[in-house]
Amino acid sequence: EVQLVESGGGLVQPGRSLKLSCVASGFTFSNYGMNWIRQAPGKGLEWVAYISSGSSYIYYAETVKGRFTISRDNAKNTLYLQMTSLRSEDTALYYCARRTGRARDWYFDFWGPGTMVTVSS
Amino acid sequence: DIQMTQSPASLSASLEEIVTITCQASQDIGNWLAWYKQKPGKSLQLLINDATSLADGVPSKFRGSRSGTQYSLKISRLQDEDFGSYYCQQAHSNPLTFGSGTKLEIK
Repeated sequence: EVQLVESGGGLVQPGRSLKLSCVASGFTFSNYGMNWIRQAPGKGLEWVAYISSGSSYIYYAETVKGRFTISRDNAKNTLYLQMTSLRSEDTALYYCARRTGRARDWYFDFWGPGTMVTVSS
Repeated sequence: DIQMTQSPASLSASLEEIVTITCQASQDIGNWLAWYKQKPGKSLQLLINDATSLADGVPSKFRGSRSGTQYSLKISRLQDEDFGSYYCQQAHSNPLTFGSGTKLEIK
């Protein structure tokens, strides 16, 4: 059974940093591209970042480019999101999501339950 | 960025009813569209990809269709497990964008 479990969320002050993790199980993690997607309270979904299976390709939303860094450790089946210079508008539930295995697809076939990040003084 | 305009924002329906949710893309995205379901406290679930193809394990009561740049999700014979929020997502170009969501509630 595919499982994705995020952790690392919490309350952080504006301007500070936080690192999220997502541990994957039930599939060959190193074969799949992975994403971070967030959902602000009461709002819709916003794609944040993508990393390819071997970390060769990395993309970011403009709203986080230069502040967030996505990475992965295939030996540990773990996806990361390093967040710096956090702003109140970064407050959201952060999901990790697996990209489907088909080469041209940009869909998300499995999602974790999310970890909440609250940026507030 | 491609804008996805989803409607209605909320919908109240009875068990066994049929409902339809729509998404309008701001430009041509071909069939590069997915639908997801979100239940409170549960992970999101991929329902449909490529505008009309059911994802693995998704029952045929869910049906996706396309007319130009308008996409629809039809849900037949509503049951308890179908109530929640639904989102469309365009997979045509970066940044990947979602509709604002439709909250489906029991009448």
